[in-house]
Amino acid sequence: EVELVESGGGLVQPGGSLRLSCAASGFTFSGHSMNWVRQAPGKGLEWVSYIKSDGGNIQYADSVKGRFTISRDNAKSSLYLQMNSLRHDDTAVYYCTRGQGDTRWYLHRLGNWGQGTLVTVSS
Amino acid sequence: QSVLTQPPSVSGAPGQRVTISCTGSSSNIGADYVVHWYQHLPGTAPTLLIFNDNNRPSGVPDRFSGSKSGTSASLAITGLQAEDEADYYCQSYDGSLSAYVFGTGTKVTVL
Repeated sequence: EVELVESGGGLVQPGGSLRLSCAASGFTFSGHSMNWVRQAPGKGLEWVSYIKSDGGNIQYADSVKGRFTISRDNAKSSLYLQMNSLRHDDTAVYYCTRGQGDTRWYLHRLGNWGQGTLVTVSS
Repeated sequence: QSVLTQPPSVSGAPGQRVTISCTGSSSNIGADYVVHWYQHLPGTAPTLLIFNDNNRPSGVPDRFSGSKSGTSASLAITGLQAEDEADYYCQSYDGSLSAYVFGTGTKVTVL
């Protein structure tokens, strides 16, 4: 059974940093792209970042470009999101998701989701 | 700001059929990028409901179906059940933004 478990969320001041982790199990982690998706309180889903199975292609939403960095460690079956220069509007539940599809990353679906970890940016 | 527009809410009695629209533009759905649909019960992990416009993952009841035409897509739920009460999101790719994009979300209420 596929399992994705996020950790690392918490309360951080504006301008601060936080690193999220996602531990994956139940599938061949190195064979799948991964993404981070977030949901602000009372809002809809927003895609944040994508990373190819081998880390060779990385994409970001404009709202986080230059501030967030996605990475992965296939040996540890883990996904990460380094978040710097955090702003109030980064407050959200952050979900780790497994991508599914062929080599065309833009056609991938988000086949599995974790339970999410809450990030609160507030002074 | 979402680039895919959905109605905020739809409702129906048990057993009825409801549809949720997802309206995009020429840079996403209209460019023939595939559409996926997700079901989200608040406080839980979202789940994939429909992928590649009209395909169901294993385990998803055939009461759920998807379609796409032009710059819009639709999710239909037939034989509505109480357990279908949830938020539903469409998702595609936008070539102008080079980004995955989600719909605004629709809350389904079973009367």
